[in-house]
Amino acid sequence: RKEVEQDPGPFNVPEGATVAFNCTYSNSASQSFFWYRQDCRKEPKLLMSVYSSGNEDGRFTAQLNRASQYISLLIRDSKLSDSATYLCVVKARGGADGLTFGKGTHLIIQP
Amino acid sequence: EAGVAQSPRYKIIEKRQSVAFWCNPISGHATLYWYQQILGQGPKLLIQFQNNGVVDDSQLPKDRFSAERLKGVDSTLKIQPAKLEDSAVYLCASSHPLISGYEQYFGPGTRLTVT
Repeated sequence: RKEVEQDPGPFNVPEGATVAFNCTYSNSASQSFFWYRQDCRKEPKLLMSVYSSGNEDGRFTAQLNRASQYISLLIRDSKLSDSATYLCVVKARGGADGLTFGKGTHLIIQP
Repeated sequence: EAGVAQSPRYKIIEKRQSVAFWCNPISGHATLYWYQQILGQGPKLLIQFQNNGVVDDSQLPKDRFSAERLKGVDSTLKIQPAKLEDSAVYLCASSHPLISGYEQYFGPGTRLTVT
């Protein structure tokens, strides 16, 4: 079983729609969770951290379910500029804090 | 604030040749990471440095890959000899828990093609 699993997509979504991505992780000792965004041929950039209580940043909402080892990202009122690959990222508990990335979900917002 | 710098941006070599990549992290960031991103995959951690010491190199193929950060600032990653499956983007990232928390800042990457 892969450590972090995501549906690679692509998700083709009309502008203005709401889209949700899910991710599961296998290591129950995982400590921290993030969504990174990666544009084509660019480096990954942090979109938002994911907290147990859920958190929102503008049109983006992230949620964590530790019992099910499941992370989600919801994008409301999607914009053309949201087109990108969204990487689910997990950090294990412990001293080393290298990140474990999923393969990413490719999102295409269509006008 | 200057970001993470990497060079070269692109490199094409033949299999069995050697190649080296350079990274300069954000000023003051003590932790430096090298990731390998194969096309269609997420980045995979190769090695993590804390200042000039190695924290985690469990996923570094040590028979052909080596990395150093001698003065605790910039770092080099070397592949010798290269294989076809090493074709990937090599990303360098840096962080500092007191400055950026767990956020890692990535450089633009070096795109390696092995023919």
